[in-house]
Amino acid sequence: DSGVTQTPKHLITATGQRVTLRCSPRSGDLSVYWYQQSLDQGLQFLIQYYNGEERAKGNILERFSAQQFPDLHSELNLSSLELGDSALYFCASSVRLEETQYFGPGTRLLVL
Amino acid sequence: AQSVSQHNHHVILSEAASLELGCNYSYGGTVNLFWYVQYPGQHLQLLLKYFSGDPLVKGIKGFEAEFIKSKFSFNLRKPSVQWSDTAEYFCAVNGRAAGNKLTFGGGTRVLVKP
Repeated sequence: DSGVTQTPKHLITATGQRVTLRCSPRSGDLSVYWYQQSLDQGLQFLIQYYNGEERAKGNILERFSAQQFPDLHSELNLSSLELGDSALYFCASSVRLEETQYFGPGTRLLVL
Repeated sequence: AQSVSQHNHHVILSEAASLELGCNYSYGGTVNLFWYVQYPGQHLQLLLKYFSGDPLVKGIKGFEAEFIKSKFSFNLRKPSVQWSDTAEYFCAVNGRAAGNKLTFGGGTRVLVKP
């Protein structure tokens, strides 16, 4: 158990819908990262937050957005969902930038 | 931009065999290097990491990796595998000037036959 928690574990929804994935970092970690793991794209970095501020963006679609709240938990919002958004979404956290990232159990999203 | 290449997509071994997984990266500056493991149905777990110092790094569960700067490589090794090592292994790079985003290789699925 890494100490990073993610909810929900599984999510099944329909195309066109919107979902919110939640992540709580390890105690004391200020930085949160979101990754997408899919069969065709592998593990891809989406976005990073540090102490509430966006610090880096990767291959994140415009339909996706995220934020980190004052209590340091983070949410990833996915809207206008498409079949291709079906994937495992991981959250990771680290104490500071350039420190080791510890991963949560992931949220498995299935878009039907 | 940074990139990571893992040479083998699938490896099948028998128990007690030695394992070596290749990883090469592309990045012009100083890097931090990681190996993560993902057991079936589970999340990514850190096996080992290299930030600086001794290029031979020892991790958990008997794994080690060697950073060879001249070859841009960070290969993972284990002298004698067990059935419980069946998993997918990911090499990852974090270029220090590129923020802390990890770039992952495509992963290597390792199947250890009992």
